[in-house]
Amino acid sequence: NAGVTQTPKFRVLKTGQSMTLLCAQDMNHEYMYWYRQDPGMGLRLIHYSVGEGTTAKGEVPDGYNVSRLKKQNFLLGLESAAPSQTSVYFCASRYTSNYGYTFGSGTRLTVV
Amino acid sequence: AQTVTQSQPEMSVQEAETVTLSCTYDTSESDYYLFWYKQPPSRQMILVIRQEAYKQQNATENRFSVNFQKAAKSFSLKISDSQLGDAAMYFCASMDSNYQLIWGAGTKLIIKP
Repeated sequence: NAGVTQTPKFRVLKTGQSMTLLCAQDMNHEYMYWYRQDPGMGLRLIHYSVGEGTTAKGEVPDGYNVSRLKKQNFLLGLESAAPSQTSVYFCASRYTSNYGYTFGSGTRLTVV
Repeated sequence: AQTVTQSQPEMSVQEAETVTLSCTYDTSESDYYLFWYKQPPSRQMILVIRQEAYKQQNATENRFSVNFQKAAKSFSLKISDSQLGDAAMYFCASMDSNYQLIWGAGTKLIIKP
């Protein structure tokens, strides 16, 4: 089925370790987003991309890096994980000038 | 900056009854969209209903309807004939002119059998 696929679905990291979360979409969407979701809060935008080779900071970018080398993939990296980055991470995508977001099923990351 | 406020952290309703979830927002935009998303325990974000601000008519999707009060910047969700499958977190969100979503903190809806 077409949609947004996130890998992995679960991960446990030790403080200081690094990892990359992968988001892949097969809908030819231009825009892609990374959010984090914490208890009692709505989704907060980490980084986003308006097209291949472009990225921009969102509301809470510190501690994260992203890359969009291919249109269909948007990678979220944590260089040195901290317990404050324990969260559920969502990827989303959409067409330009279209309000229809498609979300992935999330990645639950725990940093111990 | 736009803000979205959901003042009810948790709501409960008896199965088959009606429940209303509240949402207020603040924006300086003249044209914008508003959304309600449902997040069941599976974590998947599911679009429930959307409203274009320029439309005066309230959006309706089967058992789900909104009460959009533009002047009051209020956007409540009414769920009629509540079903056990409606149990979830519900998020209100607004979309700014850059098509960025601004999210409320969510309301946990409990359905009592």
